[in-house]
Amino acid sequence: EADIYQTPRYLVIGTGKKITLECSQTMGHDKMYWYQQDPGMELHLIHYSYGVNSTEKGDLSSESTVSRIRTEHFPLTLESARPSHTSQYLCASSEWGNTEAFFGQGTRLTVV
Amino acid sequence: GNSVTQMEGPVTLSEEAFLTINCTYTATGYPSLFWYVQYPGEGLQLLLKATKADDKGSNKGFEATYRKETTSFHLEKGSVQVSDSAVYFCALRELTGGFKTIFGAGTRLFVKA
Repeated sequence: EADIYQTPRYLVIGTGKKITLECSQTMGHDKMYWYQQDPGMELHLIHYSYGVNSTEKGDLSSESTVSRIRTEHFPLTLESARPSHTSQYLCASSEWGNTEAFFGQGTRLTVV
Repeated sequence: GNSVTQMEGPVTLSEEAFLTINCTYTATGYPSLFWYVQYPGEGLQLLLKATKADDKGSNKGFEATYRKETTSFHLEKGSVQVSDSAVYFCALRELTGGFKTIFGAGTRLFVKA
């Protein structure tokens, strides 16, 4: 069983609100990732991190920001939510090297 | 750059039918290859993996063989069940540039009783 957790599972919020999506893992993995999954299912990498104090933008431009102050924690923040941010957000972590990624259960965000 | 192309869905099968979901990749070197499964409302779970050419990954009756000559990693199952209904993603792990995982677009499978 993977030990990576996302909260909340579901969030409905009004336009203009600031939100933070939480992601924590207890596996001691250095690498962590945020993916945005559109209704057509495709996964888009929006942020990743190599370790503490490391953050990088992914392949898809996103207005969200991330931080990595502790190894186990990789929160994603939207300063001002908009309806276009409505999506499913998936967090993942992995070890270095040629290994698989472990995923959280996802946060389904709806901005009204 | 590296990429993964998989069969478009949805795929609809009757219970006990044979399943094939095609996956081909483009990559530098010999990356590890994966199949992930996503059940409704959930995150992705690793289904199986192969780390080198000619390796066969298997789990829960699913199999896939790493074919270097055809750059393919097709997913197969001899007899599907209703509970196999899900979205299946083929993926590769880059060997450089941060070891990012590159996903295919996903294939939705419906299995009818």
